[in-house]
Amino acid sequence: GQQLNQSPQSMFIQEGEDVSMNCTSSSIFNTWLWYKQEPGEGPVLLIALYKAGELTSNGRLTAQFGITRKDSFLNISASIPSDVGIYFCAGRLIGSQGNLIFGKGTKLSVKP
Amino acid sequence: EAGVTQFPSHSVIEKGQTVTLRCDPISGHDNLYWYRRVMGKEIKFLLHFVKESKQDESGMPNNRFLAERTGGTYSTLKVQPAELEDSGVYFCASSHGAYNEQFFGPGTRLTVL
Repeated sequence: GQQLNQSPQSMFIQEGEDVSMNCTSSSIFNTWLWYKQEPGEGPVLLIALYKAGELTSNGRLTAQFGITRKDSFLNISASIPSDVGIYFCAGRLIGSQGNLIFGKGTKLSVKP
Repeated sequence: EAGVTQFPSHSVIEKGQTVTLRCDPISGHDNLYWYRRVMGKEIKFLLHFVKESKQDESGMPNNRFLAERTGGTYSTLKVQPAELEDSGVYFCASSHGAYNEQFFGPGTRLTVL
């Protein structure tokens, strides 16, 4: 099946540092999404991207939809302890009926 | 407005038993999705309902899994008989339209012993 390669798998950073994670695929997507999951909860949408080249910010978070439509990155600036969680990229293939394809997640740990 | 709810939050069963998971979507959302995350792997799509109809069930692993959404409101996902590899977290999500934001429930953690 279709796969999204998400990296890194995990990150251990100091509070205040910037974070970057990305997803790549061999397939073309028409939508890229970034979700965050905290313990005991389901994924929550952070940023949605709908156009190739689109760069969107949500507070300290910035994400971009790659020009080739096969990749996306998420940056978190000046991390804080509450940024801890698992971040998932997800994409929607051209012609799909709404279902999402997810990456394996990036587990972020922030040391105060 | 209440979010997506799932019941139970945890289920521990023995191989060969039957388990039924329930999802209540956000009121008014016609689109309902089931996903599953097996430990350490990606969240994988199982199926998609539009109202009571199965729009896409291409992700269902095998015929031991049966999903229903009678009346187009809540949905159930039954696993019968459960196998060890069915263990994981089962998420339900709902959206207004097929291409609108999907809101996820907290998941049901299923452990098959």
